[in-house]
Amino acid sequence: DTGVSQDPRHKITKRGQNVTFRCDPISEHNRLYWYRQTLGQGPEFLTYFQNEAQLEKSRLLSDRFSAERPKGSFSTLEIQRTEQGDSAMYLCASSLGGNVFFGQGTRLTVV
Amino acid sequence: GNSVTQMEGPVTLSEEAFLTINCTYTATGYPSLFWYVQYPGEGLQLLLKATKADDKGSNKGFEATYRKETTSFHLEKGSVQVSDSAVYFCALSPHTDKLIFGTGTRLQVFP
Repeated sequence: DTGVSQDPRHKITKRGQNVTFRCDPISEHNRLYWYRQTLGQGPEFLTYFQNEAQLEKSRLLSDRFSAERPKGSFSTLEIQRTEQGDSAMYLCASSLGGNVFFGQGTRLTVV
Repeated sequence: GNSVTQMEGPVTLSEEAFLTINCTYTATGYPSLFWYVQYPGEGLQLLLKATKADDKGSNKGFEATYRKETTSFHLEKGSVQVSDSAVYFCALSPHTDKLIFGTGTRLQVFP
């Protein structure tokens, strides 16, 4: 068990480009979450999956954001047509009906 | 709605001082309550939790008691160390392990 793994750790992109982040949860964890954390703030919930089903999406998740979890294992978060306001740390977490474990995050900088 | 309010930082203490970080919450129903810690350059780690009223969570010398009557979950430690310097987040979970975080409190401990 190597914990929740996120890739890449850092991403710098130009405004208007698309980016995709990957999250590998702890094996056998059936729930997977995405959060966004901006400087000086706590993480904000974006969306969550139970197995492969996306069960809840925050209103923060605009139509430029899409998340998938094919086969109920790893997950991807894609942001299309990035904007400077998308610059943040994107955190992935997983759980199995109990404690929630976080990855180290992907820091996105949109220039 | 559900929300968490925690005291603003930074909290600056000398080693071996007593620590209190205040956290209050608003929630419908009976949420679980958590403290997470984020050490410099690391991901969020669960510090302690309490799942029902009057429960006390404890770990690494830190404690917090779920007070339903005052809707509070204050974090305390009797004697802080330099290694406790980090950002501490109070959070609640109304259901499905989805977490709602406060804005975080930075603790700085000096020798």
